[in-house]
Amino acid sequence: DAKTTQPPSMDCAEGRAANLPCNHSTISGNEYVYWYRQIHSQGPQYIIHGLKNNETNEMASLIITEDRKSSTLILPHATLRDTAVYYCIVRPFSGGGADGLTFGKGTHLIIQP
Amino acid sequence: DGGITQSPKYLFRKEGQNVTLSCEQNLNHDAMYWYRQDPGQGLRLIYYSQIVNDFQKGDIAEGYSVSREKKESFPLTVTSAQKNPTAFYLCASSTGTAGANVLTFGAGSRLTVL
Repeated sequence: DAKTTQPPSMDCAEGRAANLPCNHSTISGNEYVYWYRQIHSQGPQYIIHGLKNNETNEMASLIITEDRKSSTLILPHATLRDTAVYYCIVRPFSGGGADGLTFGKGTHLIIQP
Repeated sequence: DGGITQSPKYLFRKEGQNVTLSCEQNLNHDAMYWYRQDPGQGLRLIYYSQIVNDFQKGDIAEGYSVSREKKESFPLTVTSAQKNPTAFYLCASSTGTAGANVLTFGAGSRLTVL
């Protein structure tokens, strides 16, 4: 799997957009970008995934650069409940679903009141 | 509601004792996983199972054992051979088929060895 690099921590004011970057310069053509988050002492929660087009769901937006070497997860209106560790993971879409995902240390996002 | 139930939430054990953590899912998922998390660290894969009666070692399987006798259940035994068992243990499941790697996680079990 391609390696990802994320800043260890970030702050964001409540009500503002939180933009979380992820570098994955060695991503290969069949690898998707996945984002999960983990609120303290809970299990991780799936947020969104994408290949090369930008994606949006009810939780967040995912912007992937044209060369696919980096991506940004956007929480449009951050609330205090968005304080969590956010994990960026790259993984093949087909054939790799059943053998788990590799979670690094992620970015600890702190939403400030 | 469908989901994953882990029990117990907190567990204390003396050195030299085996302990079994329960994981049950009602999502009809084929694949199940066990992860370990240490403070300030990411998740590390212990074991995974793609189908009933079959399982594979993950990155840190030494000192652990699992069984998959039923689709819904994937218990993890932390044996006395595990040298540093104090950790947060997370169980997850997925459809397991080729496709999106969307894992659903349980709330976790925190094991402390006294």
